[in-house]
Amino acid sequence: DAMVIQNPRYQVTQFGKPVTLSCSQTLNHNVMYWYQQKSSQAPKLLFHYYDKDFNNEADTPDNFQSRRPNTSFCFLDIRSPGLGDAAMYLCATSRVGGMDGYTFGSGTRLTVV
Amino acid sequence: QQQVKQSPQSLIVQKGGISIINCAYENTAFDYFPWYQQFPGKGPALLIAIRPDVSEKKEGRFTISFNKSAKQFSLHIMDSQPGDSATYFCAAMSRPGNQFYFGTGTSLTVIP
Repeated sequence: DAMVIQNPRYQVTQFGKPVTLSCSQTLNHNVMYWYQQKSSQAPKLLFHYYDKDFNNEADTPDNFQSRRPNTSFCFLDIRSPGLGDAAMYLCATSRVGGMDGYTFGSGTRLTVV
Repeated sequence: QQQVKQSPQSLIVQKGGISIINCAYENTAFDYFPWYQQFPGKGPALLIAIRPDVSEKKEGRFTISFNKSAKQFSLHIMDSQPGDSATYFCAAMSRPGNQFYFGTGTSLTVIP
């Protein structure tokens, strides 16, 4: 089945230690998104890639970076995780001009110790 | 500014009852209105969606009612089951550009 896959499902990192989360998709969608979701809140968009074009949300901290080496993969890098960065990180994809909405991965639960 | 307003924040329904979640929007450029269901520890999954050219869409026990003039839409879950207990997010999307906005979410609990 075509899908969005996130790895790992759970990630524990130390305060200040860089961490990378990964996302892959088999949908061949041209847009990929990273969302941060904290407990009992709606997902918050961090940034997205439209093909290779990177689009950062204005309030996304500089601590968060992203890479998209090809259509299928996208990475979220957190350079110096703080306790406040503990959250569920969701990857999503969509197709510009398509008739459907977003397809989400199952998420990576990040714990900062 | 919240582009999509959702209510209630939480909802408790007896098994077999009807769950109703409401959303409202302002931007008339929105042309796609999905509902997502999210279980704890999982990503949101598309449940049902509607476009503004129809007033109602039904899939099994789930129905979206859409009122274009009032800029409101709602999710009705008929014969609610404990397995429906989850957080539900409405959303609105405009194309091209794929601007996508979530509502604030509704935590639904269906008690046996």
